[in-house]
Amino acid sequence: AQSVAQPEDQVNVAEGNPLTVKCTYSVSGNPYLFWYVQYPNRGLQFLLKYITGDNLVKGSYGFEAEFNKSQTSFHLKKPSALVSDSALYFCAGPSGEAAGNKLTFGGGTRVLVKP
Amino acid sequence: SAVISQKPSRDICQRGTSLTIQCQVDSQVTMMFWYRQQPGQSLTLIATANQGSEATYESGFVIDKFPISRPNLTFSTLTVSNMSPEDSSIYLCSARTFNTGELFFGEGSRLTVL
Repeated sequence: AQSVAQPEDQVNVAEGNPLTVKCTYSVSGNPYLFWYVQYPNRGLQFLLKYITGDNLVKGSYGFEAEFNKSQTSFHLKKPSALVSDSALYFCAGPSGEAAGNKLTFGGGTRVLVKP
Repeated sequence: SAVISQKPSRDICQRGTSLTIQCQVDSQVTMMFWYRQQPGQSLTLIATANQGSEATYESGFVIDKFPISRPNLTFSTLTVSNMSPEDSSIYLCSARTFNTGELFFGEGSRLTVL
C-alpha cells in the first residue's frame, strides 16, 4: 500500500529556532511528495513538491524539504521559525497506480511557534 | 496557480435533508477531487470528479450518499444526501492544474448536521 506518515502530532519550537516537521513514505516506483499547510479555518495551501531532480526542494514562505531515498523520508524544514508559521502541516504522496494522480495525506502535524 | 471557490462556506442542516456544495475553479484543470476533513485531522478522499461521466468513489463512499457532478472543466458539485450528525465535517474541493500538476484546494465547506 502506498502511504505517507507523520510521526509527530505536534511540534513546539521557539521563534527563531529551526523547525523540522517529519514525514516518511512508503510508495512504489518514483515517489511524488508534497507538503501543504493549513491555517485555522482555511483550506490547504501548497508549500512545495518533490518529483525528480535535486533532493533539496525549496518552497514557499522560506520552507524547504529534503528527499532522502535511503531513509524514505521527506522532512520539511525552516531555518528560523516565525510565530506566523503556527499551523497544521500535511505531507502527501501518490495514492494509486498513477503517480501524482490522487493524493493520500499524512495524519498532520500541528506546529506551535512560541514567541 | 488556481483559485478555487466553494459555497456555502458553512451551513447548519437538519437530519435527513440534503445539501449541495458547489466548487468553481478560475482556470481549466485536469482533475477535480472531493475530500472530507474532521477539524484538525487529516483528509480523506471521497471521490474523483470526472468530467461528463460518473465520479470514481473511494472505498467507503457511495454515489447514493455523495452524488457528484462535473459538467465542465471548471465546475463540480458534491451533494451530501440524507444527512446524519456523522456527516458533520469539512468538505474540501481540490483541483489539479494542467501546467504544473499541483493540487490546489478550496477554503472548504463546514457542515454541521443537527
